[in-house]
Amino acid sequence: KAGVTQTPRYLIKTRGQQVTLSCSPISGHRSVSWYQQTPGQGLQFLFEYFSETQRNKGNFPGRFSGRQFSNSRSEMNVSTLELGDSALYLCASSLLETGGYEQYFGPGTRLTVT
Amino acid sequence: TQLLEQSPQFLSIQEGENLTVYCNSSSVFSSLQWYRQEPGEGPVLLVTVVTGGEVKKLKRLTFQFGDARKDSSLHITAAQPGDTGLYLCAGLPTGTASKLTFGTGTRLQVTL
Repeated sequence: KAGVTQTPRYLIKTRGQQVTLSCSPISGHRSVSWYQQTPGQGLQFLFEYFSETQRNKGNFPGRFSGRQFSNSRSEMNVSTLELGDSALYLCASSLLETGGYEQYFGPGTRLTVT
Repeated sequence: TQLLEQSPQFLSIQEGENLTVYCNSSSVFSSLQWYRQEPGEGPVLLVTVVTGGEVKKLKRLTFQFGDARKDSSLHITAAQPGDTGLYLCAGLPTGTASKLTFGTGTRLQVTL
């Protein structure tokens, strides 16, 4: 079974721009979660989607948004990029309906904001 | 906000040594997971513990969940260079089914 895939793997953007990251979960997994990982803050939860609905949200500003499609693929969008948004963005999928119970992570998208 | 503190933050040891990593919180978790992350990759799930006092073994790795389900430990016996990586604990707070709280991480380096 193919693992979680994320595209692109690397991205360089300028302050003020917006970016869209994509995540394809493991086949059959309906829950997709997004995390931001930085050296200073560690791994922080952004949001979780299940069956195209956002089920949970972390403490991030409204510039961070996401969506999930009917095939469970998910995208996250960051608008008006700031230097502090530079991070590794990880997507994780989960099989169980409750989500969060066992997460299977993708390799991440490394975003650099200049 | 439930916080998970891991100690130590960094650990550099030689092959063959034993080590223990701790994950502590003041909050109760319904389950706790341990992940290992290598450079350029996402975290990989090692184990999930759900019962207070539970002990699980994965080859040379032993995981324990505290009796009160507020803390956990990871013990590695006879560490090998392949154990090098960032170890993360993650707790599922009681009452929230899908919002994992990750620990601060322990970076382990095992040298020959």
